[in-house]
Amino acid sequence: GEDVEQSLFLSVREGDSSVINCTYTDSSSTYLYWYKQEPGAGLQLLTYIFSNMDMKQDQRLTVLLNKKDKHLSLRIADTQTGDSAIYFCAESFSGAGSYQLTFGKGTKLSVIP
Amino acid sequence: DTGVSQDPRHKITKRGQNVTFRCDPISEHNRLYWYRQTLGQGPEFLTYFQNEAQLEKSRLLSDRFSAERPKGSFSTLEIQRTEQGDSAMYLCASSHTGDEQYFGPGTRLTVT
Repeated sequence: GEDVEQSLFLSVREGDSSVINCTYTDSSSTYLYWYKQEPGAGLQLLTYIFSNMDMKQDQRLTVLLNKKDKHLSLRIADTQTGDSAIYFCAESFSGAGSYQLTFGKGTKLSVIP
Repeated sequence: DTGVSQDPRHKITKRGQNVTFRCDPISEHNRLYWYRQTLGQGPEFLTYFQNEAQLEKSRLLSDRFSAERPKGSFSTLEIQRTEQGDSAMYLCASSHTGDEQYFGPGTRLTVT
């Protein structure tokens, strides 16, 4: 995960918007992802964006990509207590053929009722 | 098909023993990945199969680790002579085209 960096913690009040940020270093990244992990569970794919896009919206989720600054963000509108989890940013590179993912360390989102 | 499944979900073993984990991908997904996740870290790539061929291996995959996908469907990951440093969550993911990887629930390994 040394190529992908995220802040470790974020705390928001229920009903507010959450913004989780990520920076990456590989300018050749093909796709950028957001995964959610609840305690003791595997990773749930939330959304992803192709590197030639700058925004993607999916219901309460908005992904913004600034390719020049290598900055990715995930905005969760109307955050609920069920959104409390660890959110991982990841990048993949298709050049090697495998699309293996490189993850950040994760941002723990705590939602205060 | 409800998703990627992994077995067992938890494994406790003594140092020096061999362990084997199984992953069943989403049917018709030809790409299968193994990752390892330690506490407080993101998952790290271990190896990748396209159908039955193992096409990439990370430097993390020491000689004690071996993975197979004999018929291009399920996969096994074996760790020989386990060490305490092998304690981690082992995650399997599958994909059809490479752009969407779906993860299983993981196998948590504890080496005592």
